[in-house]
Amino acid sequence: DAGVTQSPTHLIKTRGQHVTLRCSPISGHKSVSWYQQVLGQGPQFIFQYYEKEERGRGNFPDRFSARQFPNYSSELNVNALLLGDSALYLCASSLARNTIYFGEGSWLTVV
Amino acid sequence: GIQVEQSPPDLILQEGANSTLRCNFSDSVNNLQWFHQNPWGQLINLFYIPSGTKQNGRLSATTVATERYSLLYISSSQTTDSGVYFCAAYSGGGADGLTFGKGTHLIIQP
Repeated sequence: DAGVTQSPTHLIKTRGQHVTLRCSPISGHKSVSWYQQVLGQGPQFIFQYYEKEERGRGNFPDRFSARQFPNYSSELNVNALLLGDSALYLCASSLARNTIYFGEGSWLTVV
Repeated sequence: GIQVEQSPPDLILQEGANSTLRCNFSDSVNNLQWFHQNPWGQLINLFYIPSGTKQNGRLSATTVATERYSLLYISSSQTTDSGVYFCAAYSGGGADGLTFGKGTHLIIQP
C-alpha cells in the first residue's frame, strides 16, 4: 500500500503570493493533519480534519486554511506568503492516535 | 498548553556506542510517542509508549507516566541512526494535534 503522499515536494514562492499543498492519506485513513516545521524546530500543529470536518486548529493566522475532500485527500492553503512561512510542511494520516504516519513533506521557500 | 522538553539537544557518538535520550513532559499529556526524522525530512513513528517499556530491535523506550518522563535507548549505534529524535504527545482533551519537543540531534560517526 502507498504511504502518505504529498505534492509538490519542493517549491519557491514570492512574498505575497498564495500556495496550495496537497496530501493523499493512506488508504482507509479518514484523519489528516498538517504540521509546519521550521529549520531547527519540532513540527507545529496547524490543522486536523476528520471525515471532511475540521477537528482541531493550532495557533496559526487566518492566512492558513485547509479542507478535506470526499476521498479524504486534503489541501493546505496559505495566502499572502511571508518570509517566515518558509518551512517543511508535513501531512500525516491516522486511524487512531497511536498510529500516525507522516508524508515526506513539501519544502516551501518564500523569497 | 502542554510542555514537552527533550535532552540533550545534540549528541555525537561513535558507531557501536549506546545512547539514552530523555523527554520530560507536563501534566495532562497522553499518547506519548517517539519519532525519528532522517536527514531528508521523513518522520517515522518509532514507539507509541504512554507507559511501560517497549523494544524494537536495537531500540527500546520506557515511559514513567507518574514521574512525567520517557527515555529512548539506542544500543550498538549505526550511522543510519543519525538524525533528529522527537518525542511528542497529545494534550488531555479535545481533537488536536501532537505537541513536539525540540528534538535531539544525533550524529553517529563511523
